[in-house]
Amino acid sequence: NAGVMQNPRHLVRRRGQEARLRCSPMKGHSHVYWYRQLPEEGLKFMVYLQKENIIDESGMPKERFSAEFPKEGPSILRIQQVVRGDSAAYFCASSVTSGDWNTIYFGEGSWLTVV
Amino acid sequence: AQTVTQSQPEMSVQEAETVTLSCTYDTSESDYYLFWYKQPPSRQMILVIRQEAYKQQNATENRFSVNFQKAAKSFSLKISDSQLGDAAMYFCAYRTQGGSEKLVFGKGTKLTVNP
Repeated sequence: NAGVMQNPRHLVRRRGQEARLRCSPMKGHSHVYWYRQLPEEGLKFMVYLQKENIIDESGMPKERFSAEFPKEGPSILRIQQVVRGDSAAYFCASSVTSGDWNTIYFGEGSWLTVV
Repeated sequence: AQTVTQSQPEMSVQEAETVTLSCTYDTSESDYYLFWYKQPPSRQMILVIRQEAYKQQNATENRFSVNFQKAAKSFSLKISDSQLGDAAMYFCAYRTQGGSEKLVFGKGTKLTVNP
């Protein structure tokens, strides 16, 4: 049973380009979370999605960032017009359901470098 | 808003010895969950141990145990018989019971295990 799969693992973008990060949750999981980890920092919540719905996007920057989790296919975190400050590790996590004690499994992260 | 503080940026321990990592948090809620995650050099986030706030008994997982002091809002991690493979960043995290599933992380403690 494959874990949470993220790709690409490493992505380099020039300032102003777009970055797309993909996340395939564990089989049977319908809840996806995205976190960002800046250098020397802990992970910070960005967004929580269920299939075709954004449940909580309170951690998402208001501009340039968007996320989706379509009925078919992986979840996508999209960053438009990237800037140097977007350089970070982006972690995806998934769970089978919500509620108490559901276990949230993390992927290995996608490293975005903006040059 | 909830906050999590890890006051020890770095710690070191001799192999086979015991080490305790500190974590304090701030919340006005009475029910919540606390977690310790390990991030080895591979950068994957691995759940080490978890605690429900309403449980007085401290959680234990093999060589890992916690000292949960609810009134003091303290949640320390004790690693017994430290092994070289325990070397990693350790993050303390808080999660609200119900509602949004987001985790609030501390900034982490880098643990070095000396042979």
